[in-house]
Amino acid sequence: EPEVTQTPSHQVTQMGQEVILRCVPISNHLYFYWYRQILGQKVEFLVSFYNNEISEKSEIFDDQFSVERPDGSNFTLKIRSTKLEDSAMYFCASSDPGTVNEKLFFGSGTQLSVL
Amino acid sequence: GDSVTQMEGPVTLSEEAFLTINCTYTATGYPSLFWYVQYPGEGLQLLLKATKADDKGSNKGFEATYRKETTSFHLEKGSVQVSDSAVYFCALSVYSSASKIIFGSGTRLSIRP
Repeated sequence: EPEVTQTPSHQVTQMGQEVILRCVPISNHLYFYWYRQILGQKVEFLVSFYNNEISEKSEIFDDQFSVERPDGSNFTLKIRSTKLEDSAMYFCASSDPGTVNEKLFFGSGTQLSVL
Repeated sequence: GDSVTQMEGPVTLSEEAFLTINCTYTATGYPSLFWYVQYPGEGLQLLLKATKADDKGSNKGFEATYRKETTSFHLEKGSVQVSDSAVYFCALSVYSSASKIIFGSGTRLSIRP
């Protein structure tokens, strides 16, 4: 089965630094998402992206966050100035155009640790 | 707002035991309901889903029935295996457009041989 690929699997950064989390969605998918899970808490929606623009974002997705599809295959999440509370597992997902909201394919996640 | 509440883990069972993981939801519309599973080192995978009341989703021996009257979607399996050890997430989706899925906090299941 095709996979969503995320890199790196672990990222350690200093508070205040910028980080970019990378994702390669499934090739024919058109909808892309970022979710995160703080340790011991719920998986939370951050943002959805379609047709080269954000279609929806949550309250968490403030000005420190941005997403980009720079080259038609990668989908990135940038955090401009990381905070301790940004430490979490970040999941990328993509979905099949024929079943927009019914089946999301998730990557295995990037564990971000902000020190 | 819309939310999902599922039983806290971890849950530890012996092989061939009966499994129930409770899940209840709150939604303003008519949600679709899902169970996702995360095996160690892997991403979230859709396990089963139900899109309307009284639907039963099933996959790999797991079942869940959409109960509108009790706003529940409990996950069950009659005889668990060691390979079922994973984290299970109940989730819902209300909107028909490309939008978010709301997850529960996850339940870690460990099966003893």
